[in-house]
Amino acid sequence: SQTIHQWPATLVQPVGSPLSLECTVEGTSNPNLYWYRQAAGRGLQLLFYSVGIGQISSEVPQNLSASRPQDRQFILSSKKLLLSDSGFYLCAWSVASADYGYTFGSGTRLTVV
Amino acid sequence: AQSVSQHNHHVILSEAASLELGCNYSYGGTVNLFWYVQYPGQHLQLLLKYFSGDPLVKGIKGFEAEFIKSKFSFNLRKPSVQWSDTAEYFCAVNHRDDKIIFGKGTRLHILP
Repeated sequence: SQTIHQWPATLVQPVGSPLSLECTVEGTSNPNLYWYRQAAGRGLQLLFYSVGIGQISSEVPQNLSASRPQDRQFILSSKKLLLSDSGFYLCAWSVASADYGYTFGSGTRLTVV
Repeated sequence: AQSVSQHNHHVILSEAASLELGCNYSYGGTVNLFWYVQYPGQHLQLLLKYFSGDPLVKGIKGFEAEFIKSKFSFNLRKPSVQWSDTAEYFCAVNHRDDKIIFGKGTRLHILP
């Protein structure tokens, strides 16, 4: 069966520090991978998605970047965190298209101080 | 731009009351529609989905949703809610492409 792993679960980082959040999927090949940010009252905001290795689509210009170095690995990064980067980050995967919905990871609560 | 609107940000009901959460989307073409639920401290999980066929979709835990194409709506319903239905509910739409657009969510609080 397919599983999705996301870590760390919580993270407290100072302003200006770098960020690396990792997401991996097991039990499937060539998944579509997604990074969302969830903020109270603002729903889920799509940040990046990838349909294959090295292929990244950015939905919202901001202080973050994403990479997909391997088929089932998706990384969210920042060179210098801002206070406004605080939030709950969710990774998700789907089969080749999003027709059938996503499976979400457990999320990372990021607090920038 | 494509969007999903959930009419109620916060709903409070007593147990056994009937529930209807509104959802409208902006895209006029072929869509897939979803409701996701996030129980306190848990992952987002799929409640139900619509692709085609019968516009009345039944999901887990007694939930159902009706797709009304003319109204661009996909409202979630449950005839009698339980305390355990306390959660945040997200409507979402996929335009037969690679991504899903989510609404802002509705926090449902059921009073015991």
